[in-house]
Amino acid sequence: SAVISQKPSRDICQRGTSLTIQCQVDSQVTMMFWYRQQPGQSLTLIATANQGSEATYESGFVIDKFPISRPNLTFSTLTVSNMSPEDSSIYLCSVTQGLTYGYTFGSGTRLTVV
Amino acid sequence: GQQLNQSPQSMFIQEGEDVSMNCTSSSIFNTWLWYKQDPGEGPVLLIALYKAGELTSNGRLTAQFGITRKDSFLNISASIPSDVGIYFCAGLYSGGYQKVTFGTGTKLQVIP
Repeated sequence: SAVISQKPSRDICQRGTSLTIQCQVDSQVTMMFWYRQQPGQSLTLIATANQGSEATYESGFVIDKFPISRPNLTFSTLTVSNMSPEDSSIYLCSVTQGLTYGYTFGSGTRLTVV
Repeated sequence: GQQLNQSPQSMFIQEGEDVSMNCTSSSIFNTWLWYKQDPGEGPVLLIALYKAGELTSNGRLTAQFGITRKDSFLNISASIPSDVGIYFCAGLYSGGYQKVTFGTGTKLQVIP
């Protein structure tokens, strides 16, 4: 399965600032996704990162708050904009190379907003 | 967004015991996935199920795809301390747009 490198692994940020999280995959993948995991909770899909076009956002998530880029088949970024303490979560990148390969996750970015 | 109902929410068991957990949904899925998440890590895929009624094993883990396509079960036999973690089920309906929906999670603690 694909190997995902996610950076940074953790960060503490001031409210009102923005943080960009990077997801690098060691092989070309069909689809890339961004998830949020709030403390003690399950994973919630933020958006699907589409190569060469705007990301597809899930209900409750908007582009102005979570802009996403995917310039090629191995790389994507998620920006958490104008952060507030409520944005403190783990943000996870996930990829798939096709249904039979399952969905692989990065180790996540643990974000704390103070 | 939709979440799958997973039970139990948490459990404490003695080392060597068997464990069962399940996941139910109001919607049908055509793929079920089971993940384990260790602290500070992303979820790791344990078992994938692709057909209603399918029973699949991975070492001490066995999972089943419910015949109604609305539920799935995971069993762990002869638990060991490294089984500790949070187990998530996930359902996928690949009707043109692949989107994985995650369960609420089962936190497993193993007492040596």
